[in-house]
This record gives sequence, C-alpha cells and structure tokens, in this order.
Amino acid sequence: EVQLVESGGGLVQPGRSLRLSCAASGFIFDDYAMYWVRQAPGRGLEWVSGISWSNGDTGYADSVKGRFTISRDNAKNSLYLQMNNLRVEDTALYYCAKGLFGALPYWGQGTLVTVSS
Amino acid sequence: EIVLTQSPGTLSLSPGERATLSCRASQSVSSSFLAWYQQKPGQAPRLLIYGVSSRATGIPDRFSGSGSGTDFTLTISRLEPEDFAVYYCQQYGSSLEYTFGQGTKLEIK
Repeated sequence: EVQLVESGGGLVQPGRSLRLSCAASGFIFDDYAMYWVRQAPGRGLEWVSGISWSNGDTGYADSVKGRFTISRDNAKNSLYLQMNNLRVEDTALYYCAKGLFGALPYWGQGTLVTVSS
Repeated sequence: EIVLTQSPGTLSLSPGERATLSCRASQSVSSSFLAWYQQKPGQAPRLLIYGVSSRATGIPDRFSGSGSGTDFTLTISRLEPEDFAVYYCQQYGSSLEYTFGQGTKLEIK
C-alpha cells in the first residue's frame, strides 16, 4: 500500500525558514517523480514544485521560485521542501504527492504551515 | 502558462440527478494529461479520472470524463449522497508543472 506521510509544518514568522519532509513507502520511490501541492485555507489546489525520478530535474511555481527548494533522498525514500523567506501568503496545507501518467494518484494527508507574526 | 477555468463555480443538484462539470483551458491540452479530482472537507484530493477519460482504481462507473483540445467535461451519471464535494480539473505540462482549475462545488439542492 502506497503511503505518503508529511511532517515539518508549524507556525513560523514571516521571513523565516521551514523544511518539510515526506516519508514514502509501499512503492519503488526512485521510479517516480514527486510533487508538492498546497492548499490555502478555504482555497483551491496550487502546484508548488516537482522533482523527477532520475536526474533531479526540478520545477517551481512562480510564486515560490527562488525561495523554495525541492529535493529527494532515494536511499531514505524521502522528499523534502526547503522553504526560505516565508511570506504570509505561503500559509497553507502542504501535500506530498506521487506522479503517474500526468496525474497525482497518491497524496499524503498534508502538513500545515502557518506564516504569521 | 495554461489556465484552467471550471464552471459552474457551484452546482446544486439532488441525489439521482446527472451532474455535468466543465473545465476550459486557455490553450490546447494534451489529452494524455487531463485529470479530475474529488475533495471532501478535511480530506486530501482523490484522483477520479486521468488521461481525459480513464477511471482511476476503485472509481465507480457513474463517473466519466470526456473532451479534447480546450474543453473537457466530468459527468456523474446519477448522483449518490457521497458525491457531494469539490471537484478540480488538472493538466500536466512541461517542466514537471501541474495546473489546477479553481474548483466546482457540488452541493445538495
């Protein structure tokens, strides 16, 4: 059974940093691209970042480019999101998701990031 | 950047009725990479349809997807009480980028 478990969220002041983690199990982790998707309170889904299965190609939404860095450790079956210079508008539930055939069939339950002074 | 616009914003129907949800793209979308999700309060999104019309594992056959180019539709043939939720369309582009529509809320009339 595929499982994705996010951690690392919390309350942080604007301008500070936070690192999210996603522990994956139930599939061959290094065979799949992985993604972060966020959802602000009461709002829709927003793709944040993705990383390829192989050579580490990455992509970022314009709203986080230059501030967030996605990475993965295939030996640890883990996905990460380093978030620097956080803004109030980054407040959201952050989901880790597994990519397949241009869709996201598996999602974690999310970790909440609140940016507030 | 492709923008996905869903309509209507809210759809009010009764159990047993047919639901038709629309997703329009600002430019042509590869048919291989158009998907639909269902999200209920407090839950992660659930993949319903991928590749425009293929049902994900375990999805009942009352859910169907269709369309091509810039216009796509999710149809729920006969609404069950558990189908009332928010629905999102999604396309996958280059550079590992996903785009979501703003969502359609399907509520009980």
